[in-house]
Amino acid sequence: KQEVTQIPAALSVPEGENLVLNCSFTDSAIYNLQWFRQDPGKGLTSLLLIQSSQREQTSGRLNASLDKSSGRSTLYIAASQPGDSATYLCAAQLTGAGSYQLTFGKGTKLSVIP
Amino acid sequence: SAVISQKPSRDICQRGTSLTIQCQVDSQVTMMFWYRQQPGQSLTLIATANQGSEATYESGFVIDKFPISRPNLTFSTLTVSNMSPEDSSIYLCSVEGRGRYNEQFFGPGTRLTVL
Repeated sequence: KQEVTQIPAALSVPEGENLVLNCSFTDSAIYNLQWFRQDPGKGLTSLLLIQSSQREQTSGRLNASLDKSSGRSTLYIAASQPGDSATYLCAAQLTGAGSYQLTFGKGTKLSVIP
Repeated sequence: SAVISQKPSRDICQRGTSLTIQCQVDSQVTMMFWYRQQPGQSLTLIATANQGSEATYESGFVIDKFPISRPNLTFSTLTVSNMSPEDSSIYLCSVEGRGRYNEQFFGPGTRLTVL
C-alpha cells in the first residue's frame, strides 16, 4: 500500500527566502506525482505534475523534482511571498490499469512572514 | 484544466439527517472522484464515479452510507446519509484532465459540520 509522507508538517519563513518542501513515498511504481496548494477551508489547486519519466517540472517560482529510486519529491519555492502562505500537498498516483487513485500526504503548512 | 463547482459550499446538519453534495464540471469527463478530508487529515478517496455505471467504492466506504449518482458526463452527486459528528469533513470532487498524464483537478469543496 502506497504511503506518502511530508516533512515538515509546518514551516515559517521570512518573506524573500527560498525554501524546499519534502515529500516521500513508499512505492516507487508511480505513474505521476502532483503538488497541490490548499488555502484554509478551500479546495485544491494543482501546481505541478511530474510524470514518472521526468526529473523535474518548473512553473514560475516553483520547481518540483522527482527521484523515483529514492522515493522522494521536492517542491522548491523561490523568493517566497506572503501570498504563498498555504498548505502544500503532494499526491502519488500508481501505475497500472484503473489506478486513478491519488494517495496524499498530510501536507506542509507554510507561513511566509512579511 | 477543468473548472469545477460544488454546492453547497458549506452546511451545518443535525445528526441522523442526510446531505446531497453536487459537483458540476465545465466540460465532459469520463472519471469523477469523491474525496473526504477529515479535520487535520489528508484526503482519502471515497469512490470513483463513471457515467453509466455503478460507482466503485474504496475500502471502508459503502454505498448505503455514501450513495453516488452520475447521470451525465458533467455532473455527479454524493449523499452523506444518516450523518454523525464523525462525518464532519470537507468533501471534494475531482476530475481527470484531458492531458496525457492523468492530472487531476479539484472542486472548491463542501465543508460539512454535523452537530
